[in-house]
Amino acid sequence: EVQLVKSGGGLVQPGGSLRLSCAASGFTFSRHWMSWVRQAPGKGLEWVANINQDGSEEYYVDSVRGRFTISRDNAKNSLYLQMNSLRAEDTALYYCARVGASGTTWDYWGQGTLVTVSS
Amino acid sequence: DIQMTQSPSSLSASLGDRIIITCRASQSISRSLNWYQQKPGRAPNLLIYAASSLQSGVPSRFSGGGSGTDFTLTISSLQPEDFATYYCQQSFIVPGTFGQGTKVEIK
Repeated sequence: EVQLVKSGGGLVQPGGSLRLSCAASGFTFSRHWMSWVRQAPGKGLEWVANINQDGSEEYYVDSVRGRFTISRDNAKNSLYLQMNSLRAEDTALYYCARVGASGTTWDYWGQGTLVTVSS
Repeated sequence: DIQMTQSPSSLSASLGDRIIITCRASQSISRSLNWYQQKPGRAPNLLIYAASSLQSGVPSRFSGGGSGTDFTLTISSLQPEDFATYYCQQSFIVPGTFGQGTKVEIK
C-alpha cells in the first residue's frame, strides 16, 4: 500500500523558516517525480514544487521560487520542503504527492500538514 | 499560464441525481485533463485522467469527456459518498494548474 506520511509544519512568524518532511513507503520511491501541493484555508489547490527522480531537476511556482527548496533522499525514501522567508500568504495545508508513471497526474497524496505564518 | 474555469462553483443535488460539472481551459489542452475529488479534511483523490480514463478503483458512475478547451465530469447516480469538492487539473503544461473547484452538496 502506498503511503506518504508527513511531518513538520506548525506556527511560524513571518520571515521565519520551516522544514516539511514526507516519508514514502509501498512503492519504489526513486522511480517517481514527487511534488508539494498546497491549499490555503477554504481555498483551492495550488502546485508548489516538483522534483525529478534523482533530484537533479527542481521546479517551483513563481510565488515561492528563491524562498522554498524541494529536495529528496532516495536512500531514506523521503521528500523535503525547506521553506524560508515565510509570508502570511504561505499559510496553507501542504500535501506531498506522487507523480504518476505518465508524468501528468498526482496519483497518491499524503495527508496535509498545516503551516501557519502569523505573528 | 493556462487558466482553468469550473462551473458551477457549487451545486445542490439529491441522491440518485445525475450531475455534470464543466471545466474550461483558456487554451486548447488536447485531452490533458484530470479530475480529483476532495472530501472535507481529506487529501484529493484522482478520479479521471486523460479526460476520460477512470483511475483504478473509481466507481463506474464517474465518467469524463471532452477535448480541446471544454471538458465534463459526470456522476450518473449520486451516492452519499460523492458529496465532496471536485477539481479539474490541466496537465498539458506540466506540472499543471487546477480549476477553482465545484462543491457538490446535498439538497
